[in-house]
This record gives sequence, structure tokens and C-alpha cells, in this order.
Amino acid sequence: NAGVTQTPKFQVLKTGQSMTLQCAQDMNHEYMSWYRQDPGMGLRLIHYSVGAGITDQGEVPNGYNVSRSTTEDFPLRLLSAAPSQTSVYFCASGRALLGGYEQYFGPGTRLTVT
Amino acid sequence: TQLLEQSPQFLSIQEGENLTVYCNSSSVFSSLQWYRQEPGEGPVLLVTVVTGGEVKKLKRLTFQFGDARKDSSLHITAAQPGDTGLYLCAGNYGQNFVFGPGTRLSVLP
Repeated sequence: NAGVTQTPKFQVLKTGQSMTLQCAQDMNHEYMSWYRQDPGMGLRLIHYSVGAGITDQGEVPNGYNVSRSTTEDFPLRLLSAAPSQTSVYFCASGRALLGGYEQYFGPGTRLTVT
Repeated sequence: TQLLEQSPQFLSIQEGENLTVYCNSSSVFSSLQWYRQEPGEGPVLLVTVVTGGEVKKLKRLTFQFGDARKDSSLHITAAQPGDTGLYLCAGNYGQNFVFGPGTRLSVLP
């Protein structure tokens, strides 16, 4: 099993450009999520999904869109990149537990917006 | 707003020493996870604790979930240089997660 895969690993964008960060998992997990990790801020939840066709906002959703058409894939779209979106982005998939979930993370995408 | 605090923020110790790091909140969580993250990589799940008072052991690492499910500790016995990394705790409440800022551990040979 590959687990959670993310592409690309590195990306540089100019302000105003759009792009999609790809995330796929092969563990048949219903739960998937996106985080950003910034120095001194820890990991912050952007969006999550509890199954195909269902998405919801996390702590910092502004400037990002998601969709979930299959169990395996959960892409994150930046509509108009801003320098404040420079960060490391992690995708995770989650195994259901009693009362919640247990998450497994991908390797991350390092995004720089100039 | 759910918040998790971790202490200490930084810890530098010699190989062979014991240490404990803490994860605290005023909120109740349905479960709590501990992760280790190395530079340039994603967090790697170490353990999930679900029941108040639960203790789990993973080789030299011992994890405890507080009785009220608001806090947790990670104890490492006889630390090794391979234990170096950023230790993150994450609280799960329903479909949401909140992460602590992490404890950066350095184990010197």
C-alpha cells in the first residue's frame, strides 16, 4: 500500500495564479483532510470530508476549495494564490474509531507564492 | 475554540536520559493522537488513546490519556538519537481535529 500520496512535492506560484494540490489514498478511508503547517502555528485544518460528495470547512478555509468525487481522491484548489498561502500543505486520510478518527498523513507539498 | 498546549516547547537531552512531554487542554476529546515529524516529512502516527486513564506502550515510549480526556503525556525511557524530532499531539472531537504546536526534541549522542 502506498498510503497517502501528494503531488507535487514543491511548487512556486505567482500571486493570482491558481493551482490544484493532488491527494490520493489507497486505504479505503472515508475521512480525508487538508492541513497547512506554518512556523509557530502548528497544523491547522483547512477542509475535511467524511465521504464522497461530502465536504466541510475547518479552521482556515478561506481561499481554498475542495471536492470529493471518489473515496480515493481529495484535491485542494487555490483559486487565486496569495503570499499568505505560502506554507507546507499536508493531506491526511482517517480510519474511523469509536467517537472519531485516527489520521495518517502524506509527505506534504511545499508551496511558495511570490 | 478548542486549543491544545504542549510543553516544553524545546528539549535537548543526552542519550540515555528519560523525558516526559505534556499535552494539555481545557476541552474534552473523544480521542488523542501522538505523532512524530522529521524535517521535510509528514507527521507519522505513533499512538491513539481513546479511554480516559488509558496507558499505551510502544517500546521505550509510554503514552497516557488523562482521566478526564483533556490531557496526555508521552514518556520516553533511555532516549536515543533516533528519537530526535517534533512530537505533536492532536485532539479529535467529532469530525474535527486540533493540533498542539509541538515539542521539538533533540537527543545528543
